[in-house]
Amino acid sequence: GENVEQHPSTLSVQEGDSAVIKCTYSDSASNYFPWYKQELGKGPQLIIDIRSNVGEKKDQRIAVTLNKTAKHFSLHITETQPEDSAVYFCAASKGGSYIPTFGRGTSLIVHP
Amino acid sequence: GAGVSQSPRYKVAKRGQDVALRCDPISGHVSLFWYQQALGQGPEFLTYFQNEAQLDKSGLPSDRFFAERPEGSVSTLKIQRTQQEDSAVYLCASSLVGVETEAFFGQGTRLTVV
Repeated sequence: GENVEQHPSTLSVQEGDSAVIKCTYSDSASNYFPWYKQELGKGPQLIIDIRSNVGEKKDQRIAVTLNKTAKHFSLHITETQPEDSAVYFCAASKGGSYIPTFGRGTSLIVHP
Repeated sequence: GAGVSQSPRYKVAKRGQDVALRCDPISGHVSLFWYQQALGQGPEFLTYFQNEAQLDKSGLPSDRFFAERPEGSVSTLKIQRTQQEDSAVYLCASSLVGVETEAFFGQGTRLTVV
């Protein structure tokens, strides 16, 4: 089955800095890569996703890049704000049935 | 409701007790997923329904775990003879269709087995 590795497990930045979270996946058939933000006591919420037919996608301060050859994808958050503090999960899934396999999460702390 | 609703939010069970966790998906959502999230870990897949059909239950850790969705809407995850290792947050998610569409998660049920 699919295996998703995520790094780092914790990331501490100053407000206004950029944050980068990296993930690798094992199954070359995976073609959909969502990123979730989970705040304390809440369920994961989709923040951005990318499909295998594109290499980069951007939404305001958030961008995701995908390298299919290397089987890795990354989340980039620019101009971080304290409200960005949360646990971020990457995931990978194959077309046909949407059952994402999650990474272990990155705890992002943005210091004001 | 506007989102996925799970109940109870918190459940404390004595070891050996049976528990039932409920998930109300977003109205009209065909697909429903259950995940188990241990403390400090990512969600681990348990089982997947498309309407009332349980298409994948490969993630259920033992035969003590049972899930159903008899009318294709509300789902119940039942754990029999709970063990301490069952302590986790159980997340439910639903999506409009099963193919590469956004899954919306509920807030989860935190189960503590003492």
